[in-house]
Amino acid sequence: DIQMAQSPSSLSASLGDRVAFTCRTSQTIITYVNWYQQRPGEAPKLLIYRASSLQSGVSSRFSGSGSGTEFTLTISDLRPEDSATYYCQQSYSTPHTFGQGTKLEI
Amino acid sequence: EVQLVESGGGLAQPGGSLRLSCVASGFTFSNYALHWVRQAPGKGLEYIAAISSLGTSTYYANSVKGRFTISRDNSENTVYLQMGSLRVDDMAVYYCARSPSALWFKETNFEYWGQGTLVTVSS
Repeated sequence: DIQMAQSPSSLSASLGDRVAFTCRTSQTIITYVNWYQQRPGEAPKLLIYRASSLQSGVSSRFSGSGSGTEFTLTISDLRPEDSATYYCQQSYSTPHTFGQGTKLEI
Repeated sequence: EVQLVESGGGLAQPGGSLRLSCVASGFTFSNYALHWVRQAPGKGLEYIAAISSLGTSTYYANSVKGRFTISRDNSENTVYLQMGSLRVDDMAVYYCARSPSALWFKETNFEYWGQGTLVTVSS
């Protein structure tokens, strides 16, 4: 199975900041990584697919980059509603594993 | 508007069974693969099962293989997860999710999710 390691596990930031989370995989997955946001008590929401494509309806403050084994989710101009846990997920091979999540506090 | 609504969760005893349902609306159900993802209390997400648009191909994670069965009824716009031989570590919120392809193994990102249904396994 492909292992997904997210860092940091948690992060505290301020309104208006720019933050970046990293997802590292145990083997190359080309660009088959997706990013999700999960607010407390809610279902996950797809933000980015195929490493850098912005899902329809998602704010352009979110962006993704990377290829191979290292990927980054960047959020600019932080807002209170960005407080959530962020997960990466690989769709390169089964099982389509998720990372353990990064909890962002604003 | 795309909607996925899960039901069927509740309390089950270890070794028991439950059947979860996910009713879809707002899109042509028979054109899309459906998936189940679960989340144990306070934990991360685990991908456990998938089914292609016509129900001809399925996938199971090792953790549920042989105990859970995914199926769908395209005439009822519903996907099911039959859960058997339940264990304490099956306790989780179960989400149904849709990917943008008819094949479960293609473009496996989850663009729509239900609100989840809680399964509790306890004696």
